[in-house]
Formats: sequence, structure tokens, C-alpha cells
Amino acid sequence: DVKVTQSSRYLVKRTGEKVFLECVQDMDHENMFWYRQDPGLGLRLIYFSYDVKMKEKGDIPEGYSVSREKKERFSLILESASTNQTSMYLCASSFPQGTEAFFGQGTRLTVV
Amino acid sequence: DQQVKQNSPSLSVQEGRISILNCDYTNSMFDYFLWYKKYPAEGPTFLISISSIKDKNEDGRFTVFLNKSAKHLSLHIVPSQPGDSAVYFCAASALGSGTYKYIFGTGTRLKVLA
Repeated sequence: DVKVTQSSRYLVKRTGEKVFLECVQDMDHENMFWYRQDPGLGLRLIYFSYDVKMKEKGDIPEGYSVSREKKERFSLILESASTNQTSMYLCASSFPQGTEAFFGQGTRLTVV
Repeated sequence: DQQVKQNSPSLSVQEGRISILNCDYTNSMFDYFLWYKKYPAEGPTFLISISSIKDKNEDGRFTVFLNKSAKHLSLHIVPSQPGDSAVYFCAASALGSGTYKYIFGTGTRLKVLA
């Protein structure tokens, strides 16, 4: 079974804090993705990576950065958390063919 | 610019009847279309997909239809069950920046009434 694991289910952080969201996959997938889900807006792509140390901006990269030092791990960094970054964050991984992506359980981040 | 659109935010269906969820897209370069199901506080789970070169794919109670000329796809669930109540996301995969990325619609909340 494919497993994508996000380090936290729920997080509460203060405005201005640096926040790290971690994601690990065990299927040797080349591609990894970070999305955020907000009511009425669906899933929006923040960043993705198709190889170690490679990263590409998605549709809403502002205020975020990512790190991929190992193939199985993809981290999302909120440089200075703000209240408008309160959201459900979803990590996914896939092979490069575009046929199916597997998601983690999500991290509900609240910035106060 | 929303490339994948789900125009119905919600749908209610009686148990045992057919549920039809719709999705429209604008980019004719999409290679695959996928449907995901999501329960609250969980990650999306993959349901079924279809290649852009096909017009139908079936898996048990789930069938996806693709109409390329209309840039429209639909997910049919027959028969609908209460456990199908969830948010359904339509997604499309497109090649860009060296690999495929997935673009999602805004979701349709399905409620199956017992």
C-alpha cells in the first residue's frame, strides 16, 4: 500500500512564526506536491518537485518555500506565518506519468 | 483562471439512485482526468481516472465519461450509498516544467440520503 505521511494532523502557530510541514512517502515516487484546501476554492497547488533538490512554483507560492533534500521527503516552509495561511495542507506524491497521485492525511494549520 | 470547473457545489441523491457529478475543463492538452473523494479532516483518496484518448472507464459502481468535444467529464455512481457522502474533486493532469502536475476543481459535496 502506498503511504504518504504528514508529520502533524493539527497545528496551531502564532503570527510571524516560521512553520515547517513535513511529508514522507514510501513508494519511491519522483514527484511530490503541496496543496492547500480552502472552502469554495478546492485544492490549489503551492509547490511541486520532480526530483531531489528540484522545485517548481505552483499557482500560489507566495509566502511559502519548499525543500527536498531526499527523494522520500518534501517539506513546506511558511517563512513568517500569517492568519491568511490558516488552511488544510495536503501533500501528495506520484510517478511522473500523471496517472494518479496519492495524498497524505492532511495537516490542519491554524495561525493565530 | 480556473482550468477545471465543478459548477455544482452540492448534490443530494436518494440511496440506491444514480449520482452524477460533473466537471468542465478548458485546456485541451490535459492527458488524464481523475476523480477523488474526500471526507472531512482526511486527505483525498483516488477513485477512478480516464485517459484523454478514451471516452469511458468503469470500476464497479463508478463510471467516468469523457466528452472531449464539449470539454466535459462526469462521474456516475450507481447505486449510491450513504457511505458515498463526501466531497468529490475532479482533477486533470498536464505536462509542464518537466513533469505532470495535477489541477483540481473546487469540489462537489455529495449527500446520499438514506
